[in-house]
Parts: sequence; C-alpha cells; structure tokens
Amino acid sequence: EAQLVESGGGLVQPGGSLRLSCTASGFPFRDYTMNWVRQAPGKGLEYLSYIGRRNDPRLYADSVKGRFTISRDDDKNSLYLQMTSLRAEDTAVYFCARDSAYSFDVWGQGTLVTVSS
Amino acid sequence: QSALTQPASMSGSPGQSITISCTGTSGDVGSYNFVSWYQQYPGKVPKLMLYEVDKRPSGVSDRFSGSKSGNTASLTISGLQTEDEGDYYCCSFTDSGSFAVFGGGTKLTVL
Repeated sequence: EAQLVESGGGLVQPGGSLRLSCTASGFPFRDYTMNWVRQAPGKGLEYLSYIGRRNDPRLYADSVKGRFTISRDDDKNSLYLQMTSLRAEDTAVYFCARDSAYSFDVWGQGTLVTVSS
Repeated sequence: QSALTQPASMSGSPGQSITISCTGTSGDVGSYNFVSWYQQYPGKVPKLMLYEVDKRPSGVSDRFSGSKSGNTASLTISGLQTEDEGDYYCCSFTDSGSFAVFGGGTKLTVL
C-alpha cells in the first residue's frame, strides 16, 4: 500500500526556518512527481509546490516563491520542503501528496507548522 | 494564481442530487481536462474523488460524477447520503507556473 509520512513540523518564530520531510513507502518513489499542499486552521487547501522526476522542474505558488524550496532524494524515498522567512500566515498543516494524472491520489497525514513568537 | 471559485456552502436532503460548481479561467479549467475533486472530513486527509474531470479512482462510488463546460467544472453527487457530508475541493492544472490551483472549498450539509 502506498504511504506518505510527513515530519518536521513544529513551533517556529516569525522570520525563522524549518525543513519538512515526507517519507514514501509502498511504491516506486522515483517514478512519481510530488507535491506540497497546506491548509491553514479552519481554511481551505492551498497548493504550494511541485517537483518533477530527478528534481526537475520545480514549481511554486506565488505565496511561497523565493521563500520555500522543494527537493527530493530518491535514494531515501524522501521529499523535502525547506521553508525560510516564515510568517504568521504560513501557520498550517502541511501535506505531501503524490501526483498521478495531474491529481493527488496519495496524501500524507500532514504535519502542523505554527509560526508565532 | 487566483483560487478557483466554488460556492462556500450547499445543502441537500438524503436521496437528492446536488451539483457543486468550480469556475476558473482559460489558463486552467477552460483549457485543460486536468480537473480533480477531493472530499475532506473535518480533521482528516483529503481523498481523491474524481480526476481528469470525470474519471473515478477505484473504490469511489458511481454516485459521484464530473463534467466540464467552458471555464466551469462540476461535481454531481446523486442519491445523497449522510456520509457525503463534508468539504469538497476542486483543483485544476494551471499554466500560470505553479502547476495546480485549488478552489476555495464547498461545505456540503446533508439535512
């Protein structure tokens, strides 16, 4: 069974940095493109970032472009999201999701990031 | 990269049919058949219900169907059941550079 598990969330001060990880199992990770999606408390889903096979291309929503960096390590079956210059409005549950036919068919359980002083 | 437009809330009675709309632009919904729909219960992970406008993943009830006309995609749920109550999100590929964009979500209440 395909599975994604996120980690790395927590409390961080405004202006700080955090790296999220997403570990995949049950499917050939290197053959899939991957994504990050977030959901602020009580709000809707927001698409953040896409990464192709072999780390190319890397695409970002305007809201995080220049501050967040997506990457992957196929040898470790892992996806990452490096987040810098964090703001209060970045507080959310962050999901990694597998891309299949331009849709997201497998989701992790999410990891909560709280940006607060 | 504006969010796709969905009604904030809709309601229906058990057994009825309901259609949720999702309006985008020529840069997303209007030009690509890469529209997907997700169901989410409170505190739970989103679940893929439809992809490529009208295709159902294995295990999704055939009470869920999709269509598209111009810049608007639609999700129809027939024979509403209480278990259908939840939040529904549309999503589309976009050529704006971010890959995808979600709708704001529709809270479905089954009365």
